[in-house]
Amino acid sequence: DTEVTQTPKHLVMGMTNKKSLKCEQHMGHRAMYWYKQKAKKPPELMFVYSYEKLSINESVPSRFSPECPNSSLLNLHLHALQPEDSALYLCASSQAHKRGPYEQYFGPGTRLTVT
Amino acid sequence: AQSVTQLDSHVSVSEGTPVLLRCNYSSSYSPSLFWYVQHPNKGLQLLLKYTSAATLVKGINGFEAEFKKSETSFHLTKPSAHMSDAAEYFCVVSGDTGNQFYFGTGTSLTVIP
Repeated sequence: DTEVTQTPKHLVMGMTNKKSLKCEQHMGHRAMYWYKQKAKKPPELMFVYSYEKLSINESVPSRFSPECPNSSLLNLHLHALQPEDSALYLCASSQAHKRGPYEQYFGPGTRLTVT
Repeated sequence: AQSVTQLDSHVSVSEGTPVLLRCNYSSSYSPSLFWYVQHPNKGLQLLLKYTSAATLVKGINGFEAEFKKSETSFHLTKPSAHMSDAAEYFCVVSGDTGNQFYFGTGTSLTVIP
């Protein structure tokens, strides 16, 4: 199974709402990633978890809060977002051994619209 | 520091003709390089990867890429374009921390019937 799943597929939220994005993989990967992608642009790295610990935070605003409850799950908690946060949010996973790097496997993304 | 330059933002080819998508990279060490494809409103799918083994890398769907260290290039090719190849293509280079990756700005491929 080389699949990364993301839920929901689409999300519309107001600026005062709290919502969460979920990502799951069962490939035994120990590195998981959140990316933000705007239309016609490459993905921008937000967070990297390695062995369930946050290893990279690309200066993301605190209204985005990642969580890695176990090696298969990755969440992104959203609170008080701005309209400019509307984008496709992609999750990815990869192996995390020191002899890497290894290719990333991407989920289909969550299309987020902030109203 | 690592960086990637995709030399063409748009490429248009006729169905059945060859495809060439160009990528140059900059790296302070021997990098790993990847090509991903993204169809509209979808996630990214790995086409192929180079990790210091054979310099000519074969990928899925008939794509291949050649790593040329002297030219710091990793161009993606396919002998004959298919309508289903129309998509956005990203060249990616690995960072030195192992779990960091640098994306090019993408090349949009159009296939004309």
